[in-house]
Amino acid sequence: EAGVTQSPTHLIKTRGQQATLRCSPISGHTSVYWYQQALGLGLQFLLWYDEGEERNRGNFPPRFSGRQFPNYSSELNVNALELEDSALYLCASSLELRPPYNEQFFGPGTRLTVL
Amino acid sequence: QQQVKQSPQSLIVQKGGISIINCAYENTAFDYFPWYQQFPGKGPALLIAIRPDVSEKKEGRFTISFNKSAKQFSLHIMDSQPGDSATYFCAAQATYNTDKLIFGTGTRLQVFP
Repeated sequence: EAGVTQSPTHLIKTRGQQATLRCSPISGHTSVYWYQQALGLGLQFLLWYDEGEERNRGNFPPRFSGRQFPNYSSELNVNALELEDSALYLCASSLELRPPYNEQFFGPGTRLTVL
Repeated sequence: QQQVKQSPQSLIVQKGGISIINCAYENTAFDYFPWYQQFPGKGPALLIAIRPDVSEKKEGRFTISFNKSAKQFSLHIMDSQPGDSATYFCAAQATYNTDKLIFGTGTRLQVFP
């Protein structure tokens, strides 16, 4: 069974540009989560999508947005990039909304560098 | 109240030794406590998880100890091996709010032969 996949692996942008990151969940998983892993800060929750709807978002500005497509894949968009947006962006998927099936499976991440 | 505090930041252990990583939380609504293991260049992978109805869970060389009254939980790695060298994250989740995991800041474990 294929795991969570993310593209691109690396992304280099300059300040003020926009970045688009993509995620394909494990087949059959309907929930997709996005996390930011900045150096020394652990993983910070960004966004949660389920069945095409945004269910919750973390404490990030509105220039972080995304969507989930009918095939449950997801896209994270970061507008007006700032230097501090440089981080590893991780996508996770889970099978069921309700516990105990809410184990989150992570992809390898997209390393975003803002110059 | 949403934080999970993890220590130590880094840990060096000799092969065969015991690695211990500690986490503490404040939110008493948390009822799911997973540990994730992350190798360089990879996403985190679930290692072991516990719910507060038990005080200990063991899977192979990995054990979670849970102290509900102290709001603390820890990961013990017995007979640590060089292949265990990775970053370990504790996390907590309130399953009434099944979306986000709250992660600790991570512990970088190095096991030397």
